[in-house]
Amino acid sequence: EAQVTQNPRYLITVTGKKLTVTCSQNMNHEYMSWYRQDPGLGLRQIYYSMNVEVTDKGDVPEGYKVSRKEKRNFPLILESPSPNQTSLYFCASSLHRGTPLHFGNGTRLTVT
Amino acid sequence: DAKTTQPPSMDCAEGRAANLPCNHSTISGNEYVYWYRQIHSQGPQYIIHGLKNNETNEMASLIITEDRKSSTLILPHATLRDTAVYYCIVRVPRSRDQGAQKLVFGQGTRLTINP
Repeated sequence: EAQVTQNPRYLITVTGKKLTVTCSQNMNHEYMSWYRQDPGLGLRQIYYSMNVEVTDKGDVPEGYKVSRKEKRNFPLILESPSPNQTSLYFCASSLHRGTPLHFGNGTRLTVT
Repeated sequence: DAKTTQPPSMDCAEGRAANLPCNHSTISGNEYVYWYRQIHSQGPQYIIHGLKNNETNEMASLIITEDRKSSTLILPHATLRDTAVYYCIVRVPRSRDQGAQKLVFGQGTRLTINP
């Protein structure tokens, strides 16, 4: 089944403890992206990747890192999480940058 | 990308057609209209998109007015599982997209299907 898989689904952590949220897609998509969703603010793009080893900042990249060493994987790294990064995170992919996006089921992160 | 305006909420009876409007009066000639929906806190789900012709797929139909300033998403036989927030987005197609595939989702329309 074609899908975007994020792990973990839920994560509670403490301020400053490095964490990684994984994202994997099995559709051989070139384009991948991370979003965060907060009440009243909608979905905001954090980082995106046009292809392997090509990444760029979205609207709210501060405090996040990404890497794209393989086509299928696009992990989101929080080196030193802070409470304002408490949010619902979505990974998405598409065949190319303009085609419809496929989203993962989300990761709910709480930073205390 | 052009801004869109949608009603904050709508109700529809199960089995009836749900018609969700979207205004995009500042749309430019090369911008497509996309519809996504988000069920509870799941990842948004792509529904349909179009440029100026009406489109239909297994999920829905998209009717775009001749002047392209508004569109309507039609769910022909709504079921309880169609209860979700529906987002209308306009954006440039791949060939003209110079930057990030940023999708500004806005607040959408919260559609409730009633039994």
